[in-house]
Amino acid sequence: SAVISQKPSRDICQRGTSLTIQCQVDSQVTMMFWYRQQPGQSLTLIATANQGSEATYESGFVIDKFPISRPNLTFSTLTVSNMSPEDSSIYLCSVGENLNTEAFFGQGTRLTVV
Amino acid sequence: DQQVKQNSPSLSVQEGRISILNCDYTNSMFDYFLWYKKYPAEGPTFLISISSIKDKNEDGRFTVFLNKSAKHLSLHIVPSQPGDSAVYFCAAKYSGTYKYIFGTGTRLKVLA
Repeated sequence: SAVISQKPSRDICQRGTSLTIQCQVDSQVTMMFWYRQQPGQSLTLIATANQGSEATYESGFVIDKFPISRPNLTFSTLTVSNMSPEDSSIYLCSVGENLNTEAFFGQGTRLTVV
Repeated sequence: DQQVKQNSPSLSVQEGRISILNCDYTNSMFDYFLWYKKYPAEGPTFLISISSIKDKNEDGRFTVFLNKSAKHLSLHIVPSQPGDSAVYFCAAKYSGTYKYIFGTGTRLKVLA
């Protein structure tokens, strides 16, 4: 299974600022995803990070708020822009290889916005 | 609309006994189901999965059962160990996509 490293593991940020989360995988992977887990809730898919093109966002998530980059097959970033306390969540990077195998997750980034 | 539901937010089981975690789904287009385990400050770890063409999959102490007619999934852990104490998430995937829909999780506590 792929080893996924996320940075930072946690951060406390002021409202109105932006935070970029990095996701590094130890091997080339086909698919990379970003999820959010709000307190007491399930994991929700934010977007699929596409290599060399714009990310594909799920309903309720927009590029201006969550810009994503994926410059190659092992790395992606998620930026949480113009943060408010409602953005306080765990953000998780995930990778998948094909349709009939499991997705793997990074350890997550715990974000608190004050 | 919650398409994947875990109606029990928590479960306590004595060490050595069976733990049964349940999951219900509403969308018949789901074709692949998974269970993940999550410890605090860690990402979810894949545990076991099942394709919609099967009704049972077993891996050591872990067995997943799928009842398609009832749209119900369960995870059995036998025997339960204190190290199994974690939050367990059920997830379902749409046919032909990579998109996973997660339940809200069940916190399992195995008592020594």
